[in-house]
Amino acid sequence: AQTVTQSQPEMSVQEAETVTLSCTYDTSESDYYLFWYKQPPSRQMILVIRQEAYKQQNATENRFSVNFQKAAKSFSLKISDSQLGDAAMYFCAYRSFYSGGGADGLTFGKGTHLIIQP
Amino acid sequence: KAGVTQTPRYLIKTRGQQVTLSCSPISGHRSVSWYQQTPGQGLQFLFEYFSETQRNKGNFPGRFSGRQFSNSRSEMNVSTLELGDSALYLCASSLDGNTIYFGEGSWLTVV
Repeated sequence: AQTVTQSQPEMSVQEAETVTLSCTYDTSESDYYLFWYKQPPSRQMILVIRQEAYKQQNATENRFSVNFQKAAKSFSLKISDSQLGDAAMYFCAYRSFYSGGGADGLTFGKGTHLIIQP
Repeated sequence: KAGVTQTPRYLIKTRGQQVTLSCSPISGHRSVSWYQQTPGQGLQFLFEYFSETQRNKGNFPGRFSGRQFSNSRSEMNVSTLELGDSALYLCASSLDGNTIYFGEGSWLTVV
């Protein structure tokens, strides 16, 4: 079974600065998807960014980018120019490429609580 | 375009009762999945449906069940509720099975 580890329970950053959230995962599969989700106090899970394992290029969405290191099984999220609205829990998640074969949906890490200091 | 809609948003049930939660996916999405979120266990996958068929199932007891209708709407049912079933239940939908969008969740409190 796959596991996802987020080693930083909480991170704090000054508004307008850059912060990087860490995520490592363990899998024996070669094809899979990785995600970062944001969960604000409203508790709705919001998709931030998605990465396909077969793509070498790191995904980018506006101020959000990832550093995907497949050999190291590492998938960190960089948030540039942090804004107050970025404050939330951030979850790293894994999904097998081959869905429908009894795979276990999304596997989530425990989350990182991101605090933005004004 | 409307997002994933879950009803009810909040509910309180008594131990031993059963509960049914409903989820309407994003229009055109045929895959619906359910997750349970608790402070202790975090986010855990319950099950996934695609075109009315259960495609994947997480490690939950048989008290947890679900179904999907021909219009892709889904329900999950928990029978013989236990205190430990108190949680946020999140429904998600997907067009391709791999980019997954979540609803706002249903808060279940078991007393």
